[in-house]
Amino acid sequence: DSGVTQTPKHLITATGQRVTLRCSPRSGDLSVYWYQQSLDQGLQFLIQYYNGEERAKGNILERFSAQQFPDLHSELNLSSLELGDSALYFCASSANPGPTYNEQFFGPGTRLTVL
Amino acid sequence: AQSVTQLDSHVSVSEGTPVLLRCNYSSSYSPSLFWYVQHPNKGLQLLLKYTSAATLVKGINGFEAEFKKSETSFHLTKPSAHMSDAAEYFCVVSDYAGGTSYGKLTFGQGTILTVHP
Repeated sequence: DSGVTQTPKHLITATGQRVTLRCSPRSGDLSVYWYQQSLDQGLQFLIQYYNGEERAKGNILERFSAQQFPDLHSELNLSSLELGDSALYFCASSANPGPTYNEQFFGPGTRLTVL
Repeated sequence: AQSVTQLDSHVSVSEGTPVLLRCNYSSSYSPSLFWYVQHPNKGLQLLLKYTSAATLVKGINGFEAEFKKSETSFHLTKPSAHMSDAAEYFCVVSDYAGGTSYGKLTFGQGTILTVHP
């Protein structure tokens, strides 16, 4: 158990809908990362937050957004869903955003299926 | 820009034989390098990490990796495979861009390790 929790574990929805994925980092970790894992794209970094502020952006679509709240949990919002958004979405956390000690601990993931 | 190439998409070994998973990286700065493992229907677990200390890094479950700057490689090895090692393995690089700490990880495409009895 990494200490990172994600809810829900599974999500099935229809095209055009909007969903919210939730992540609680390990106790004490200030940095949260979101990743998408799909068969065709592999594991891709989406976005990073550190102590409530956006720190880095990766291959995140404009239809997607995220935020980190004062209690450090984070939410990833996916809107106008398309079939291609079906994937496993991981959240990870680390104590600090620096790469030298950037050991990231991953949650179990949320599997999103868009029908 | 940073990138990672895992040279084999699938590796198959017999139980008790050595494991070699190959990884080459590209990085503009001094990288931090990691190997993560993902068992079926599970999250990602850190096996080991290189952060500019010793070039030979020991990880969990008997795995180790050697950082070779001249070859830009970070291959993962294990002397004797166990059935429980069957999983997908990801080589990962994290760059340090001057005074800005990004922290984002760039993943390789993954190597699926199959272990035969």
